[in-house]
Amino acid sequence: DAGITQSPRYKITETGRQVTLMCHQTWSHSYMFWYRQDLGHGLRLIYYSAAADITDKGEVPDGYVVSRSKTENFPLTLESATRSQTSVYFCASSESSNRREYYDEQFFGPGTRLTVL
Amino acid sequence: GQQLNQSPQSMFIQEGEDVSMNCTSSSIFNTWLWYKQEPGEGPVLLIALYKAGELTSNGRLTAQFGITRKDSFLNISASIPSDVGIYFCAGLVDYKLSFGAGTTVTVRA
Repeated sequence: DAGITQSPRYKITETGRQVTLMCHQTWSHSYMFWYRQDLGHGLRLIYYSAAADITDKGEVPDGYVVSRSKTENFPLTLESATRSQTSVYFCASSESSNRREYYDEQFFGPGTRLTVL
Repeated sequence: GQQLNQSPQSMFIQEGEDVSMNCTSSSIFNTWLWYKQEPGEGPVLLIALYKAGELTSNGRLTAQFGITRKDSFLNISASIPSDVGIYFCAGLVDYKLSFGAGTTVTVRA
């Protein structure tokens, strides 16, 4: 299907386990983003990527690792999950027009609800 | 990250009412955005604002970019049941969005 998809949609894991959340987009967008959504905080940027093999930290990167070997995929890994990482995780993608006065809309996936016990 | 203060946190509105929500920041943004999120889905862009003072409409939604570039508001006119959801403001710096905490809207039929 066209668009941006995330898997799994729901995940329960235990403290200390490694977990990888997958994000796939079919638009060949340059930019991809990972956010977490928690009550009272809105969405906060974890990591983003401007292109394959280019990634950078966002506002809350600690405890997370990302990679971008292919344009269409942007997996997020929690190397040793903690309870504070219980959250809903959203992936987004956007094209880059390089026009600084124009917002290149970020399109969001449906989210992954992660519970760390 | 940038701190955006969005209010109110939640609202119950009567069908047919006009409602407003706003967002303020201690930092200047060059672009303000309003998103809506429905249960089980990701946020969807409603309106993008690019210039201080700009007033933009999208159907029954109207948003304004504050003159100081540190605030924005969103109006919904003639509320209907499908307006239920969480509305987020966001400010854009480079390619990174900073979001407010959201306003949860519930409509009384």
